Amino acid sequence: GQNIDQPTEMTATEGAIVQINCTYQTSGFNGLFWYQQHAGEAPTFLSYNVLDGLEEKGRFSSFLSRSKGYSYLLLKELQMKDSASYLCAVIDSNYQLIWGAGTKLIIKP
Amino acid sequence: IAGITQAPTSQILAAGRRMTLRCTQDMRHNAMYWYRQDLGLGLRLIHYSNTAGTTGKGEVPDGYSVSRANTDDFPLTLASAVPSQTSVYFCASSGTGTDTQYFGPGTRLTVL
Repeated sequence: GQNIDQPTEMTATEGAIVQINCTYQTSGFNGLFWYQQHAGEAPTFLSYNVLDGLEEKGRFSSFLSRSKGYSYLLLKELQMKDSASYLCAVIDSNYQLIWGAGTKLIIKP
Repeated sequence: IAGITQAPTSQILAAGRRMTLRCTQDMRHNAMYWYRQDLGLGLRLIHYSNTAGTTGKGEVPDGYSVSRANTDDFPLTLASAVPSQTSVYFCASSGTGTDTQYFGPGTRLTVL
């Protein structure tokens, strides 16, 4: 079966750095997305990786290693508004988007 | 409007009733999707449509039907609601099947 694993919950301190990991086992790979979802709201797009390496976008960066079936989302200079769930999703060989259950990130002052 | 709208925002429904959740996008996206999101389970695909006039089944299609008569609208119908269909329902769209998906605000449905 297809599977995406993320930690259920993480806690970090305001101003610090946090890395949220995602490992996947899917039938093929055509790209990986990270989305942010605040409580009670819709998911919003953060990043997309299809090639190995690091993609940087402001305070957020996303890394992909296709050979290891692994990605991480790095959040720097954490702010209270970064408290949210972070969803990892992979496009499989059938071009279906497979979603992880999400990581709830709690930021403490 | 800009983006995706869903209606209603929330609904309490008696078991056995028929219900249609509405979704409209104005981005001229070809692909549209319906997901349900339950605590601890993440987003699960119910049905999708790659282009107007075509639909397909996702991971959890039973008890749901969709239609795609035009590019903009993608309604989801529960023919006879059951309590296990209590969930938050999100509609999404993308330019193509591999493009970034953009989500509507969601419909919170409670079936009693």
